[in-house]
Amino acid sequence: DGGITQSPKYLFRKEGQNVTLSCEQNLNHDAMYWYRQDPGQGLRLIYYSQIVNDFQKGDIAEGYSVSREKKESFPLTVTSAQKNPTAFYLCASSPWTGRGYYGYTFGSGTRLTVV
Amino acid sequence: AQTVTQSQPEMSVQEAETVTLSCTYDTSESNYYLFWYKQPPSRQMILVIRQEAYKQQNATENRFSVNFQKAAKSFSLKISDSQLGDTAMYFCAFSGSNDYKLSFGAGTTVTVRA
Repeated sequence: DGGITQSPKYLFRKEGQNVTLSCEQNLNHDAMYWYRQDPGQGLRLIYYSQIVNDFQKGDIAEGYSVSREKKESFPLTVTSAQKNPTAFYLCASSPWTGRGYYGYTFGSGTRLTVV
Repeated sequence: AQTVTQSQPEMSVQEAETVTLSCTYDTSESNYYLFWYKQPPSRQMILVIRQEAYKQQNATENRFSVNFQKAAKSFSLKISDSQLGDTAMYFCAFSGSNDYKLSFGAGTTVTVRA
């Protein structure tokens, strides 16, 4: 079955470390997204990518980086510059054709905790 | 980013009863899409219902229906015959017709009591 796979489900980061969250989709979707979820704040957009080798900053990109070397993959790196990285991270994808109409398909999320 | 407001942080409803969640949004566009997503305790986001702004008829999906008031920029979700499995956080979301990014509200936590 087609879907989005995020790994790991839980991730622990020490102070000063960079960590990478994986997101893979087999839906043949063009666009992919990373959102951060904090209690009481809904979902906030970190980065998004419409096509391979191209991506744009969202509303809260500082302290994060991404790459899009393959259509299926959109990993997110949380760098040591992100001062408050503890959160739930959601990856999503959508088709480009009929954009806006379909909404997103979401992965199951990664819970990142700073220790 | 478009502004989406959900003014009810939490709601509680008795099993088999009806609950209505409110959502308002701000946009200058005439055509756009609105969504309600459900996030149960598993935290998997699930699309509940979708509404296209140029369609006047309110969308329905089984026990879920919306009241779309375009002039008021309001998009409420009604859950009828509430079931224990409806316990979740519900997010309202907006997408422009030429955009592909979703803007989300802060969410409403719905608890269905047995």
